[in-house]
Amino acid sequence: EAQVTQNPRYLITVTGKKLTVTCSQNMNHEYMSWYRQDPGLGLRQIYYSMNVEVTDKGDVPEGYKVSRKEKRNFPLILESPSPNQTSLYFCASRGTGGNTEAFFGQGTRLTVV
Amino acid sequence: SQQGEEDPQALSIQEGENATMNCSYKTSINNLQWYRQNSGRGLVHLILIRSNEREKHSGRLRVTLDTSKKSSSLLITASRAADTASYFCATGLGGYYKLTFGKGTLLTVNP
Repeated sequence: EAQVTQNPRYLITVTGKKLTVTCSQNMNHEYMSWYRQDPGLGLRQIYYSMNVEVTDKGDVPEGYKVSRKEKRNFPLILESPSPNQTSLYFCASRGTGGNTEAFFGQGTRLTVV
Repeated sequence: SQQGEEDPQALSIQEGENATMNCSYKTSINNLQWYRQNSGRGLVHLILIRSNEREKHSGRLRVTLDTSKKSSSLLITASRAADTASYFCATGLGGYYKLTFGKGTLLTVNP
């Protein structure tokens, strides 16, 4: 079954404690991205990756890092989380070509206290 | 930056009625896509319409695209309580892979 898997689904952490949210896809997609979703703001792209070792900033990259060492994995790293990073996070992947759909993970609800 | 904007922000209808949601965008696009999100869960792709298409159907869904007005509409016919969800439009630009999402329309279908 084609899917994007994120872990964990829920996470409560304290300010400043580094954390990683994992994302893995089994569709051999080149393009992967991270979004955050906040009430009234919709989905905003944090980072994206066109392929292995190719990453770039999205619209709201401050406070986040990513890596793409393998095609299937695209972890999101918060080196020093702050309360304003409390949000619902989604990983997504797409295949090559502009006219393709995105597949989303189930989301990670992060609370930073 | 937000490219698509859905209208209305919220819509409440009775089961069996049709639901229409609109999306407006600002720049030229390669395609426009509609997604559905059940509360707090991942987005699920519904339908994609290319910039050279004007209308597309999928089951009870009908999507139209008017590139001259930079707008699209999603029609759900004979709605069901299970259609209750948020609906987002997303635009794809040129050869880029990025999808830019609107803020969504919250549809509530009352039994």
